[in-house]
Amino acid sequence: GIQVEQSPPDLILQEGANSTLRCNFSDSVNNLQWFHQNPWGQLINLFYIPSGTKQNGRLSATTVATERYSLLYISSSQTTDSGVYFCAVSGGFKTIFGAGTRLFVKA
Amino acid sequence: EPEVTQTPSHQVTQMGQEVILRCVPISNHLYFYWYRQILGQKVEFLVSFYNNEISEKSEIFDDQFSVERPDGSNFTLKIRSTKLEDSAMYFCASSATGAGNTIYFGEGSWLTVV
Repeated sequence: GIQVEQSPPDLILQEGANSTLRCNFSDSVNNLQWFHQNPWGQLINLFYIPSGTKQNGRLSATTVATERYSLLYISSSQTTDSGVYFCAVSGGFKTIFGAGTRLFVKA
Repeated sequence: EPEVTQTPSHQVTQMGQEVILRCVPISNHLYFYWYRQILGQKVEFLVSFYNNEISEKSEIFDDQFSVERPDGSNFTLKIRSTKLEDSAMYFCASSATGAGNTIYFGEGSWLTVV
């Protein structure tokens, strides 16, 4: 089955810093989403991005499907950005999540 | 924005009891899913459901689990004879189509088996 690897596993930032999170996947996919899981456990949909680049405020994402990776950029990080960021890919009716990047933003 | 709703938000049950988790998917969506997240671990796929039947399931989804769409709006996950290791957050999700479409997640149901 499809394998999803995320890096780094943990990240500590000073408020205001920028960061890049990476997601590698092992096979062609027809769906890729980035989620933020907040401290209350909710999965917040950030981007649906099977290919190309999208931006939403301080966040942007790029997926290069031919090279099987996606990047999530966080600029001017804030303490509210803390939590776990998951990449999830689908090759059919099943969505596979990566292990996540745990981000902590210090004030 | 339309959303997936789940009930209960938290349930505590005795080992060996049956549990039913309920979900109301987004109204015009056709594909429904259940996922599980054990505390501190990643989100795991359990099952997908379309046209009143299971379209795919993981190895986790054994005979202890079943899903049903009892009416036009609800989608349920039944866990029979619960075990301690079934303690987890269970997420329901839905999408308009099965592939190449955004999947929307509910807020989850925390299940604690004691």
